[in-house]
Amino acid sequence: GAGVSQSPSNKVTEKGKDVELRCDPISGHTALYWYRQRLGQGLEFLIYFQGNSAPDKSGLPSDRFSAERTGESVSTLTIQRTQQEDSAVYLCASSSYGTSYNEQFFGPGTRLTVL
Amino acid sequence: AQKVTQAQTEISVVEKEDVTLDCVYETRDTTYYLFWYKQPPSGELVFLIRRNSFDEQNEISGRYSWNFQKSTSSFNFTITASQVVDSAVYFCALQTFNQAGTALIFGKGTTLSVSS
Repeated sequence: GAGVSQSPSNKVTEKGKDVELRCDPISGHTALYWYRQRLGQGLEFLIYFQGNSAPDKSGLPSDRFSAERTGESVSTLTIQRTQQEDSAVYLCASSSYGTSYNEQFFGPGTRLTVL
Repeated sequence: AQKVTQAQTEISVVEKEDVTLDCVYETRDTTYYLFWYKQPPSGELVFLIRRNSFDEQNEISGRYSWNFQKSTSSFNFTITASQVVDSAVYFCALQTFNQAGTALIFGKGTTLSVSS
């Protein structure tokens, strides 16, 4: 079946502009995660959605970052007033809640460059 | 605190050499999972292995093997007879299981370069 998809694959924006990144999880996966990967670094957790529960926003670096998810489908990560430090690859992952190990399947990422 | 440390930033080997990537983790939880992911130049993360904290058996899959030692909080990954296609960034990750669906905690990764 189809994997996790993300769009756009690349985004170049000017400092101060808002951007929206999209994630389509694997069908049936109730859990969805956003991570950020800065150049040469590991992945940093940003936010987690599980079904209709309140999201875990503990990883969001500032109030310029927000994310939404409608039901168990698409999620959008929004970064307002982008800064150069926001340049990174943003990865989305989904998993099937209730499995014994909650393996996360990752999308290809969106590479964001803030000029 | 929960943390994953991959002390080796970069490793370069010549084809057919064996190479071990180190991973040390910290957690106070007794139930947890450890993962290895591969990130080739294309950027997509590829799942390699998952190990739960109650299973310390070493695992071998083809040229890959993993050595999990709770006594030293390590989960090392060995590639035998390395190949150029093994060149990638390898990440070790920790997931606790005190609640379902918790985020993965990643190490900073080890970049492996295999030359012919």
